[in-house]
Amino acid sequence: ETGVTQSPTHLIKTRGQQVTLRCSSQSGHNTVSWYQQALGQGPQFIFQYYREEENGRGNFPPRFSGLQFPNYSSELNVNALELDDSALYLCASSPTSGGAFKTQYFGPGTRLLVL
Amino acid sequence: AQSVTQLDSQVPVFEEAPVELRCNYSSSVSVYLFWYVQYPNQGLQLLLKYLSGSTLVESINGFEAEFNKSQTSFHLRKPSVHISDTAEYFCAVSRSSNTGKLIFGQGTTLQVKP
Repeated sequence: ETGVTQSPTHLIKTRGQQVTLRCSSQSGHNTVSWYQQALGQGPQFIFQYYREEENGRGNFPPRFSGLQFPNYSSELNVNALELDDSALYLCASSPTSGGAFKTQYFGPGTRLLVL
Repeated sequence: AQSVTQLDSQVPVFEEAPVELRCNYSSSVSVYLFWYVQYPNQGLQLLLKYLSGSTLVESINGFEAEFNKSQTSFHLRKPSVHISDTAEYFCAVSRSSNTGKLIFGQGTTLQVKP
């Protein structure tokens, strides 16, 4: 039990639609990262938020955006969905320690299917 | 740029046999190393981590991994596996100086047979 929750667990959308995925981190974890895990692949880093600001981004287009809120919750928004966006989306939270970000704790994920 | 290579996509093994899941990484800077386990239809669970200090790290369920800087490896081992160890295992690396972005390998499926 990591204390990281995600909603919804499953979601079906059609091409062109927009989706919002939600994550609730552990209290005190002020860093949240989002990953996309395609079927049969390892997770790929989308972006990270620290104290409500984007703090690093992977190789994902701008239609992937995020928000982080003061209550340790966060959102991943994807606009103009494409078929290749079908994946398991994972959020991970981590505490800060001495200025260095270390262990990330993952939620159970949201499985998105785009038809 | 960093990268992680898990050398075996699938590892079949009989129950109570030893197992080694191999992981190599490439990085020109100091790194943190992690192994995560993913059971079917679940998220990732941290199995063990190397941040600093002793190069041999252990998990509570009998797995261990050894950080070998000269060989840039972080292989995962268990002397005797159980059916319940059947899962996908991911090796990941993070630069020790940055924001904690994890680079994952492609994963190794451990299939424990009775």
